[in-house]
Amino acid sequence: EIVLTQSPATLSLSPGERATLSCRASQSMSNYLAWYQQKPGQAPRLLIYDASHRATGIPARFSGSGSGTEFTLTISSLDSEDFAVYYCQQRSNWPLTFGGGTKVEIK
Amino acid sequence: EVQLLESGGGLVQPGGSQRLSCAASGFTFSSYAMGWVRQAPGKGLEWVSVVSGSGTGTYYADSVKGRFTISRDNSKNTLHLQMNSLRGEDTAVYYCARATFGYTNSLEYFQHWGQGTLVTVSS
Repeated sequence: EIVLTQSPATLSLSPGERATLSCRASQSMSNYLAWYQQKPGQAPRLLIYDASHRATGIPARFSGSGSGTEFTLTISSLDSEDFAVYYCQQRSNWPLTFGGGTKVEIK
Repeated sequence: EVQLLESGGGLVQPGGSQRLSCAASGFTFSSYAMGWVRQAPGKGLEWVSVVSGSGTGTYYADSVKGRFTISRDNSKNTLHLQMNSLRGEDTAVYYCARATFGYTNSLEYFQHWGQGTLVTVSS
């Protein structure tokens, strides 16, 4: 099983600041990684797939990078609506796995 | 517009059974793998199961293997999750989700999600 470790657990930032979230995999998985955003009481929303491709309708301030075992989600300038929990997910092997999440909170 | 509507959640006793359903619309149902992802209260996301577009391929997390069965009815655009021998740790919101690409190996991300249905396992 591929274990995904997200860091930090919590990120305290102000609107307009840059957010950098990390997802580390326990084994190499090419670029088979996605990022999701989840707000309280809502279902997750796919942001980035295959490490760096924005999903339909996702603003350009969201970008993803990385391959192998190290991946990053960057939010270039935080909007008020971006404060949420972010999860990574791999599709390299069964079982599908999610990271534990990073909460981006308002400082 | 893709829509996924879960039903069947509720309170069930430990050791009991529950069947979840997900009605899908807005896309060619049989072209996409479908899955269930759950979220225990205050916790993160946990993948549960996936079924291929044809229904012939099924995949399970170890935590539910042998207890849960995923199935689909492509004639009715409906996904099911039969949950048996339920435990307290199965308490969660269960989301129905559609795969992103329609790959034959079903190893996918989830592009579209329902709003979830809460299953509570308690005596």
